[in-house]
Amino acid sequence: DAKTTQPPSMDCAEGRAANLPCNHSTISGNEYVYWYRQIHSQGPQYIIHGLKNNETNEMASLIITEDRKSSTLILPHATLRDTAVYYCIVRVLYNQGGKLIFGQGTELSVKP
Amino acid sequence: DTGVSQDPRHKITKRGQNVTFRCDPISEHNRLYWYRQTLGQGPEFLTYFQNEAQLEKSRLLSDRFSAERPKGSFSTLEIQRTEQGDSAMYLCASSLGSGRTLGEQFFGPGTRLTVL
Repeated sequence: DAKTTQPPSMDCAEGRAANLPCNHSTISGNEYVYWYRQIHSQGPQYIIHGLKNNETNEMASLIITEDRKSSTLILPHATLRDTAVYYCIVRVLYNQGGKLIFGQGTELSVKP
Repeated sequence: DTGVSQDPRHKITKRGQNVTFRCDPISEHNRLYWYRQTLGQGPEFLTYFQNEAQLEKSRLLSDRFSAERPKGSFSTLEIQRTEQGDSAMYLCASSLGSGRTLGEQFFGPGTRLTVL
């Protein structure tokens, strides 16, 4: 699975959009981009995933560049409850049993 | 609540003791995963089951660790002769083993182990 690079930390004002970047320059054609988040003292939570088209669900939007070498997770109206560590994971859909390989993630702090 | 549950939530033990953790996945999920997370790090994969078959074990899973999923439902993770380096959060996750949902793993709250 391709390696990802994320900034270690970011701040965002409550009510504003939070844009979390992820670089995955070595991504291959059959690898998906997944985003998870982990609120303090809880297990990780699935947010969204995509292959090449932009995706949106009730939690967030995922924008993948045309060359697929980077992506951005967008939380449109961040709240204090969105404070968490956000993990960007790149993996083949049918990789070795579906295990997830987590990096260090981005610690997002949403401030009032 | 139909999410993934883990028991106990916290465990404090002395070095050298054995401990066992339990995970109850979402009922229709046939895949079950164990991860370990130390402070400041992302979760690390330990092992996974499809139904009752253990299909992969990480090199992190030393011979002191054993996991079972006897009837393809709940799973247990046992650590024998615990060491201080085993102190971590042990996370369980489950998923449907098919299609686009393979990567959508649902995690439990974890069991925090402290080895004194």
